[in-house]
Amino acid sequence: EPEVTQTPSHQVTQMGQEVILRCVPISNHLYFYWYRQILGQKVEFLVSFYNNEISEKSEIFDDQFSVERPDGSNFTLKIRSTKLEDSAMYFCASSRGQGRNEQFFGPGTRLTVL
Amino acid sequence: QKEVEQDPGPLSVPEGAIVSLNCTYSNSAFQYFMWYRQYSRKGPELLMYTYSSGNKEDGRFTAQVDKSSKYISLFIRDSQPSDSATYLCAMSAKSNTDKLIFGTGTRLQVFP
Repeated sequence: EPEVTQTPSHQVTQMGQEVILRCVPISNHLYFYWYRQILGQKVEFLVSFYNNEISEKSEIFDDQFSVERPDGSNFTLKIRSTKLEDSAMYFCASSRGQGRNEQFFGPGTRLTVL
Repeated sequence: QKEVEQDPGPLSVPEGAIVSLNCTYSNSAFQYFMWYRQYSRKGPELLMYTYSSGNKEDGRFTAQVDKSSKYISLFIRDSQPSDSATYLCAMSAKSNTDKLIFGTGTRLQVFP
């Protein structure tokens, strides 16, 4: 069964450093998302992406964040200058679209900012 | 008032029990309702997906949506220790691209 994959599973970085989180969505899906979950808190939407552009972004997704689909399979989230409060689990999700909004999530990347 | 409210639990039940998990919401625009299961430090796994009001059954799982009361439920029959996880409700207003709004999750423990 196809699934969303994410790398790395755990990323440790120093405050102020740039990080890139990578995702490979399910191959025939058209809509891509990033969510985050701070430890002990609920899953929060960051950004949605369709047809090579951002469809919607939340207040969390400020100028320090960017997304890209550099090729036909990868979908990346970049944080330019990490802050301590960026420490969280980051989940990539994808959906087929075409009237169906079932979003399938990857296993997540745990980001720790020191 | 929070957009989606969910009792965090924990809910502890014996194996074989029927489990009832619930969420309430305030935004009447929500039309699509999902239940996810999340094991510790893992990604949410989609269990049930329903549109508008009504019931949907899949094996031991039944999802109910009551839009008039802004209330959704997930029932688990014949619960197993492997069902021990956090259950997240999520909902969205539109079918395509729309962000999911999650509840905080209910932690369920099924003991043998």
